[in-house]
Amino acid sequence: AQRVTQPEKLLSVFKGAPVELKCNYSYSGSPELFWYVQYSRQRLQLLLRHISRESIKGFTADLNKGETSFHLKKPFAQEEDSAMYYCALFTSGSRLTFGEGTQLTVNP
Amino acid sequence: DTGVSQDPRHKITKRGQNVTFRCDPISEHNRLYWYRQTLGQGPEFLTYFQNEAQLEKSRLLSDRFSAERPKGSFSTLEIQRTEQGDSAMYLCASRREVDAEAFFGQGTRLTVV
Repeated sequence: AQRVTQPEKLLSVFKGAPVELKCNYSYSGSPELFWYVQYSRQRLQLLLRHISRESIKGFTADLNKGETSFHLKKPFAQEEDSAMYYCALFTSGSRLTFGEGTQLTVNP
Repeated sequence: DTGVSQDPRHKITKRGQNVTFRCDPISEHNRLYWYRQTLGQGPEFLTYFQNEAQLEKSRLLSDRFSAERPKGSFSTLEIQRTEQGDSAMYLCASRREVDAEAFFGQGTRLTVV
């Protein structure tokens, strides 16, 4: 069965510091992985997906199939990055499975 | 707003009552999902439609829960005989068949008292 693990429920960094939000997955097939973000009082929205290999708002994420990881990184965190971040796995059964989320706080 | 819309945004109900939520997906999206989210947890999959066909249901979806998408457009999620444990945010999402990106509504927050 597919599973997504985000080991850190809370993560706090200072503005300008690098940030890494961890995500590990288990899935026997070929995964499609996403990062969704939820800002305060807003709906869940897609941040990035591994197949597009884009950098959105300075965030990047690389799929490491050997380590079954899809960690989200940003070299210099900004206060507006404070939000809840969810890693999600899309499987061939068309289901999107979410991790439990990491609450990122960027302090001034 | 041409995104996914959900109604109502908030619902308070007494234990034992029935409630129904509505989701209007983005118009060209033929796939529609329902998720439930409780405090401190990620969204948990409930069920999924492709057009009007309900293709998958989670074990989380007890017999008290039923979902429909009668014409392949909007969907309803009904909870019968609500229990306090049903209190949660209920999220709807939709996507096009050819694209894996799912778009979410703002959710319906249910409180069972």
